[in-house]
Amino acid sequence: EAGVAQSPRYKIIEKRQSVAFWCNPISGHATLYWYQQILGQGPKLLIQFQNNGVVDDSQLPKDRFSAERLKGVDSTLKIQPAKLEDSAVYLCASSLALEASGGFGSETQYFGPGTRLLVL
Amino acid sequence: AQSVSQHNHHVILSEAASLELGCNYSYGGTVNLFWYVQYPGQHLQLLLKYFSGDPLVKGIKGFEAEFIKSKFSFNLRKPSVQWSDTAEYFCAVNGWGGSYIPTFGRGTSLIVHP
Repeated sequence: EAGVAQSPRYKIIEKRQSVAFWCNPISGHATLYWYQQILGQGPKLLIQFQNNGVVDDSQLPKDRFSAERLKGVDSTLKIQPAKLEDSAVYLCASSLALEASGGFGSETQYFGPGTRLLVL
Repeated sequence: AQSVSQHNHHVILSEAASLELGCNYSYGGTVNLFWYVQYPGQHLQLLLKYFSGDPLVKGIKGFEAEFIKSKFSFNLRKPSVQWSDTAEYFCAVNGWGGSYIPTFGRGTSLIVHP
């Protein structure tokens, strides 16, 4: 089966510019996650969608970051304006809403290749 | 709020050596625990997970992890590592806080010398 697709793979912008990332999850996966991974750190959840509704966005810097998942399938994450500290890899992951073998919260996440952003 | 600590940031081993990577979490309720791995040039992928039942969980490629509730730990083990185990390993917890929000540790870089 096709995996999680992300584009672009790399992006270089100057500070104060805007940038958008796109993610297409695995078909049938209701849950979609966006993570920010700064060099030397683990992935940090920015926003989690269930279908086209937001489950959690408590760690999303809402003054500059926005995300949407129209129609409950693919999703975009936008940064406007970008800051130097936004330089990171942005990961998208998807999962089933509930796996037959486990309870809620035990779902396996399937990750995309990530978008590497450099803000100059 | 939940958190995850991975104590070993960089580990270097020779082939056939035994491996144990530490993972401690901070959360008082029912948790789901995961180890994800990222091989060079590849995506993050699941190694193993615990959500209920036997606290000793077996994953792919001979890895296993033991959930010790009293110690809030979920350490990853492999009795004999191979060069192909060279990768970044991430421990993650998913506990209930109004919704299930996954939290990752900072990762452990493992290098295995042939």
